[in-house]
Amino acid sequence: ILNVEQSPQSLHVQEGDSTNFTCSFPSSNFYALHWYRWETAKSPEALFVMTLNGDEKKKGRISATLNTKEGYSYLYIKGSQPEDSATYLCAALSYNTDKLIFGTGTRLQVFP
Amino acid sequence: DAGITQSPRYKITETGRQVTLMCHQTWSHSYMFWYRQDLGHGLRLIYYSAAADITDKGEVPDGYVVSRSKTENFPLTLESATRSQTSVYFCASKTAFLPLGEQYFGPGTRLTVT
Repeated sequence: ILNVEQSPQSLHVQEGDSTNFTCSFPSSNFYALHWYRWETAKSPEALFVMTLNGDEKKKGRISATLNTKEGYSYLYIKGSQPEDSATYLCAALSYNTDKLIFGTGTRLQVFP
Repeated sequence: DAGITQSPRYKITETGRQVTLMCHQTWSHSYMFWYRQDLGHGLRLIYYSAAADITDKGEVPDGYVVSRSKTENFPLTLESATRSQTSVYFCASKTAFLPLGEQYFGPGTRLTVT
């Protein structure tokens, strides 16, 4: 079973600050990496699905990169806003399985 | 309503009781999943199903039973609830046409076992 780790566990930033956090996963048998955004009292919603080494995806002020050889992905938020406050989950999928293994998330709070 | 729904949204039950959590999706997605969310553990997979009548265990299946007689429904049953099963339960689905595609989550069921 994959072990997916995220750091930091939590992050407090001021509005306007840029921030980033890390997802680490075993690089062997890697197939795909998902990022989800999870607001309090809501359901997780997908941000990105990434598969290729060097992949970079962007949605508005949020972007993510993927390094499958060393087993990590970064999520960046440029100019954080209070509405970006949420828990950001990553999850890895390995070959020959239908099971996503989730990390424990990074909880981001953006203060106005 | 379209989408993925869960019922009940909140449930309190006693130790030893059987309780069933319902999940229904209207997209005809082949895959459905049950997760539990606990502090310090994130989301952990309990069971999943690749299609009707096909189910498989996840990371933490003990104490749970699932069935999938229809594509749109994926009930999760706690046969004899224990306090350690107090958690928030999320159901999710995804299409088989995008094997790497994202999962869509229901609103969650908060279960308390007293």
